[in-house]
Formats: sequence, structure tokens, C-alpha cells
Amino acid sequence: AQKITQTQPGMFVQEKEAVTLDCTYDTSDQSYGLFWYKQPSSGEMIFLIYQGSYDEQNATEGRYSLNFQKARKSANLVISASQLGDSAMYFCAMREGVQSSGSARQLTFGSGTQLTVLP
Amino acid sequence: DAGVIQSPRHEVTEMGQEVTLRCKPISGHDYLFWYRQTMMRGLELLIYFNNNVPIDDSGMPEDRFSAKMPNASFSTLKIQPSEPRDSAVYFCASSLRLRRATNEKLFFGSGTQLSVL
Repeated sequence: AQKITQTQPGMFVQEKEAVTLDCTYDTSDQSYGLFWYKQPSSGEMIFLIYQGSYDEQNATEGRYSLNFQKARKSANLVISASQLGDSAMYFCAMREGVQSSGSARQLTFGSGTQLTVLP
Repeated sequence: DAGVIQSPRHEVTEMGQEVTLRCKPISGHDYLFWYRQTMMRGLELLIYFNNNVPIDDSGMPEDRFSAKMPNASFSTLKIQPSEPRDSAVYFCASSLRLRRATNEKLFFGSGTQLSVL
């Protein structure tokens, strides 16, 4: 079974509008971390935002916020006031806790969503 | 601060040749990861090290792939012999050990675009 599912291969948004990129995850751990990375056309992977499973508040970083719904196992990324420079591939990722992965430190990534911001 | 540094940025080689990819992690980071990115399979973990020791190499595709970390500031990923299906972007990433492991974020290098003809 997929651990991270991103169901939107591509999304379009008008400049200055908000957009939500979906991410659902699958884990039996109580402690885990959820991450979003941005990959522009230049290829580098840029960390955007992190949410811990025990965090009560939704994470925010500038124009990025994470809509964390634990019961639904979803961690959607919300980008407010989209800019042309936001056009990129966006990846959701998870690090599970000790129960399922021992001391594993790697992130498991989803397949990504290609976001295009239209002028 | 210097980030994770990978070289070369691009590599074009012929089938059967040996390829060596290099990575310098962020100073002080405890973990180093090698990922491969392809259109078909997305981002896959190949191997990761903790304090220079390989911890999980279950993602290494086959014996043609090997990775080393001789010291805390350098790692290599070698493919010998290379095949066209190895064409991909290879990322190195590093992270710092935290008290709560789930918080540890990965810092990625710029990647090496490998083309095997």
C-alpha cells in the first residue's frame, strides 16, 4: 500500500489566488512527521513546512500552511496569494516513528503535484 | 552556510562505464541519504548512513550499485557497470539528529542528472 498519496498530478491556479494541494498518508504509528518540499524546474528540493503528529496547531510558514486532519490522515498544503514563482512540483513526505520503522530516518515521498500558476 | 554539495551536476556516459557521484553533506549532520528520482518511480531511497556507517541499503537496486562514506564530510555512489536504465537524477541529502526523530528534516543537494547512453 502507498504510504503517501498525492492524487493531483497537476493543478492550475490563478496568480494571487489560494490553492490546496492534497496529501493523504498511511501509518499505524502514533508519532510521525509530515513534510512538504518544492521542486522547481531547476531541480533542487526545497523544504517548505513540517507538521508533527502531536502538534495541536496547524503549521504555518509565511504563505504556506498545512491543513492537518489527523483522523482523516490528511496533510494538505495551502499556498495563499499564489505567485508565478510558486510554479513547481510539490512533494508530500512522511517519516514514521519507532514502532513501524525502528530507527529509520528516511522520508517516504509521494508522487508529487505539478502546480502551474497562471498570470 | 554551505548546503549539501553534489558533483557533478550532469554526467553523460556510455553503457558499461563506471560512474561515480559525489556528495559533501552539511557540516555536523549525522545522517546522509542517497535518493534516485525517475518519472516512473518517483523519489526512491537507495541507502542511508548514520555517522558514516551504512544503516539501510535495501533500496540499492543491484550489485552494480555501491555507496561509501569514508568520513563525515564525503560520500560516493558508484555504478559499475552503468546501464541506460540507471538514467535518473540522483540526490544526496543530509539531516541532523534531533531528540524527536520525526522532526528531522532533510536538506537536499542540487542533484546529479545522469544519462547513460
